[in-house]
Amino acid sequence: AQSVTQLGSHVSVSEGALVLLRCNYSSSVPPYLFWYVQYPNQGLQLLLKYTTGATLVKGINGFEAEFKKSETSFHLTKPSAHMSDAAEYFCAVSERGAGGSYIPTFGRGTSLIVHP
Amino acid sequence: GAGVSQSPSNKVTEKGKDVELRCDPISGHTALYWYRQSLGQGLEFLIYFQGNSAPDKSGLPSDRFSAERTGGSVSTLTIQRTQQEDSAVYLCASSQALPQETQYFGPGTRLLVL
Repeated sequence: AQSVTQLGSHVSVSEGALVLLRCNYSSSVPPYLFWYVQYPNQGLQLLLKYTTGATLVKGINGFEAEFKKSETSFHLTKPSAHMSDAAEYFCAVSERGAGGSYIPTFGRGTSLIVHP
Repeated sequence: GAGVSQSPSNKVTEKGKDVELRCDPISGHTALYWYRQSLGQGLEFLIYFQGNSAPDKSGLPSDRFSAERTGGSVSTLTIQRTQQEDSAVYLCASSQALPQETQYFGPGTRLLVL
C-alpha cells in the first residue's frame, strides 16, 4: 500500500522568505502526484500536479514542485512567501491499488504560517 | 459551470441517530469520492464510485457507513447510529475517470455528534 509523508505539520516562514513543504511517498511505480491547498473556510483546490513529462511542475500563485524519482519526493516550493499563502497544504499520490482502482492517498497536511 | 455542492453545510445530531449527507458532483464527472477530514488527520478515503462499476468501499470504517450514487450523479453518504467519533468534516470530490485527472472538492459537511 502506498503512503504519503508530509514532514512537519506546521511550517512557519516570514513574508518574503522561501517556502519549502516536503512530501515523500512510497510507490513501486512512478505515481501521479498532486498538491492541493485549502484556504481557511474554503474547500480544497488543486495547486499543481505531475503526471508525465517534465519533472518540474509549475502551479498557481507562484508555486512549483519537482518530482524526484530517486528520492521518491515531490517537495513544494515558492521563492517568496506572501501573507495570502497561509493555508493548509496537502500532498496526494494516485496509484492503482489492489482492487484495480486509482484511489488518491493524501498526506496529513502541512499548515503554512506566514509572519509579517 | 457549477462546482461540487454538498448539503447540509453543518449538521448537529445526537448520538445514536442516523444522518444523511448529500453530494452533487460536477456534471459529466464519472468519478466520485467521499473523504473524512478530522483535525490533524488529513483526508481519510471512505468510498469511490466510478461510472456504473461496483463502488470501492475499502475505506468505510464500519458497517454503520454506507453510500449510494443514483443515476451516476448525486451521492448520499449515510451514517447509522452515529457515535461521537464520527464528528468530522465529510468531503466529496468528483473528477473525470482517468487517475491523473484533478479532483474537484465540495465545501464539505461539518458533522457534530453530541
